[in-house]
Amino acid sequence: QVQLVQSGAEVKKPGASVKVSCEASGYTLSSYAMHWVRQGPGQGLEWMGWINTDSGDTKYSRKFQGRVTITRDTSANTAYMEVTSLTSEDTAVYYCARAHGDSPGVWGQGTLVTVSS
Amino acid sequence: DIQMTQSPSTLSASVGDRVTITCRASQSISRWLAWYQQKPGKAPKLLIYEASSLQSGFPSRFSGSGSGTEFTLTIASLQPDDFATYYCHQYNSFPYTFGQGTKLEIK
Repeated sequence: QVQLVQSGAEVKKPGASVKVSCEASGYTLSSYAMHWVRQGPGQGLEWMGWINTDSGDTKYSRKFQGRVTITRDTSANTAYMEVTSLTSEDTAVYYCARAHGDSPGVWGQGTLVTVSS
Repeated sequence: DIQMTQSPSTLSASVGDRVTITCRASQSISRWLAWYQQKPGKAPKLLIYEASSLQSGFPSRFSGSGSGTEFTLTIASLQPDDFATYYCHQYNSFPYTFGQGTKLEIK
């Protein structure tokens, strides 16, 4: 059974960084690309970026270019998404999602990141 | 970046109604469009991919159509479980983008 299990909720201060993990089970991570999507409180879905989990190639939304880094550790079957220089605008639920073809398919449960002083 | 515009933003309907949600892309995306269903407090679920392919697990009352810049999601006969928020998503070219969402409410 394919499952993505994300790390737990985080509370960070403005200016800090956060790294969210996404552990895949039921399949080999490097067989499917991984997307990262976030959703602010009461807001819509926002595509952040993507990683080819085989080659490590990444693509990012222009909004997050330079501030977001997506990586993977194939030995741990886990993908990661790090956001630096956090502000209150980054308070959101962050999702990883395995690619279905090229679109997000199976989603993780989400990780709430709260940025507050 | 390709902009995705959904209409309406909110839709009030009754059980048994036929409803249609529209998604327009700012440039052609061929058929590289997906639809997602999201319920409060839950992760989104892939509903339709490649504009018209129904994801397994969803009933046939859901259908998608369109190509190029205009797409529709149709629910043939609304059921109580269908009241949710629906998002379109283009994956024709990076950076991928989502529509702003359509909240389907009970009338």
